[in-house]
Amino acid sequence: DAMVIQNPRYQVTQFGKPVTLSCSQTLNHNVMYWYQQKSSQAPKLLFHYYDKDFNNEADTPDNFQSRRPNTSFCFLDIRSPGLGDAAMYLCATSEGGTSYEQYFGPGTRLTVT
Amino acid sequence: DAKTTQPTSMDCAEGRAANLPCNHSTISGNEYVYWYRQIHSQGPQYIIHGLKNNETNEMASLIITEDRKSSTLILPHATLRDTAVYYCIVRTPSDDKIIFGKGTRLHILP
Repeated sequence: DAMVIQNPRYQVTQFGKPVTLSCSQTLNHNVMYWYQQKSSQAPKLLFHYYDKDFNNEADTPDNFQSRRPNTSFCFLDIRSPGLGDAAMYLCATSEGGTSYEQYFGPGTRLTVT
Repeated sequence: DAKTTQPTSMDCAEGRAANLPCNHSTISGNEYVYWYRQIHSQGPQYIIHGLKNNETNEMASLIITEDRKSSTLILPHATLRDTAVYYCIVRTPSDDKIIFGKGTRLHILP
């Protein structure tokens, strides 16, 4: 029944060591999103893909990159994690167009040591 | 930036109706009001949306004022499982992005 799957649920990485978070979906949705959520804050949109078109938010640091090799999968790459990048990372999908609903995964909690 | 203003937190007794207000005084004619909630340690979940008419589904009711500058989400019989952060968002349906504001932390009290 899982529709938006994020692996792993918990990830620990070292300061400066690249890390990749993954997201997959069974909904065949056109749009996939990555959000960052720090403790007691609202989710913050990093970027999204509409099909293969990548849309970066203006204030997303260059340290964050994304790949979408196919419809089902989307990856978040953090090239050189800093202590400030510790957060919950949420993946979401939507049909796009006039669709009103985004479906969120359970998130990956990233710890940077 | 988020276009909505919500109270930081609210309490509601279990079994009572929870009424969560949202101000969106700069809403434009083609923007809808959406509500999502986020239960602790989970991803946000869509609740309901509306343009100008009141809406109801199995989860909640949405009351939008006639001038559309504010709205209220109503959980008719709140349970402990409704404890969450509730986000009110305005957007056009064709806008692929959701920008979350700070939301209201709702505590359901036993």
